[in-house]
Amino acid sequence: EVQLVESGGGLVQPGGSLRLSCAASGFTFSSYWMNWVRQAPGEGLEWVANIKQDGSQKYYLDSVKGRFTISRDTAKNSLYLQMNSLRAEDTAVYYCARCTRWCDAFDIWGQGTMVTVSS
Amino acid sequence: QSALTQPASVSGSPGQSITLSCTGTSSDIGGYNYVSWYQHSPGKAPKLMIYEVSNRPSGVSNRFSGSKSANTASLTISGLQAEDEADYYCCSYTTTINTPAYVFGTGTKVTVL
Repeated sequence: EVQLVESGGGLVQPGGSLRLSCAASGFTFSSYWMNWVRQAPGEGLEWVANIKQDGSQKYYLDSVKGRFTISRDTAKNSLYLQMNSLRAEDTAVYYCARCTRWCDAFDIWGQGTMVTVSS
Repeated sequence: QSALTQPASVSGSPGQSITLSCTGTSSDIGGYNYVSWYQHSPGKAPKLMIYEVSNRPSGVSNRFSGSKSANTASLTISGLQAEDEADYYCCSYTTTINTPAYVFGTGTKVTVL
């Protein structure tokens, strides 16, 4: 079964850091671009970042540039999101999502992990 | 990059057809045929319903269809069923200073009366 499972969410104080993980299974992880997408409480979906198959290209939402870092480990079939200098507005459910072949849509999603930034 | 504009809610009776709109700009919807639609219910993973404007992934009912005209994309749900009640989000590929990105819509809550 093709599956993505996120972990690592939790409560963190403003200015703090958190590392999210996404475990992939059921498909050849190294063949796909991967993404993080978030949804703040009561809001819509928002694309956060993505990374090429070999990690050589990474792109970010403007508001997280310089604070968030996306990475992947092919040996572990895992995707990561290192989040530093967290702000209240980063509070959201964070989803891991696989790109389609041409990375023009997101065809497989995880269940999400909740990140709450609050003092 | 501003979110694409969707109506907050659309409702219909079982068996009816409804159409959800998604309005963007020439920098996103109007500039690329990379519009996708997602069905999202609370506590569940979003589900891809349409990609590349009008293509359905394997397993998605043919009651769902997509189209685009200029800067507006549309999702039509025919033969509305109770199980279609969910939030629906459009999404478009875009670029900012030659950097790729993706912009989602504000979301439409579909209610089956």
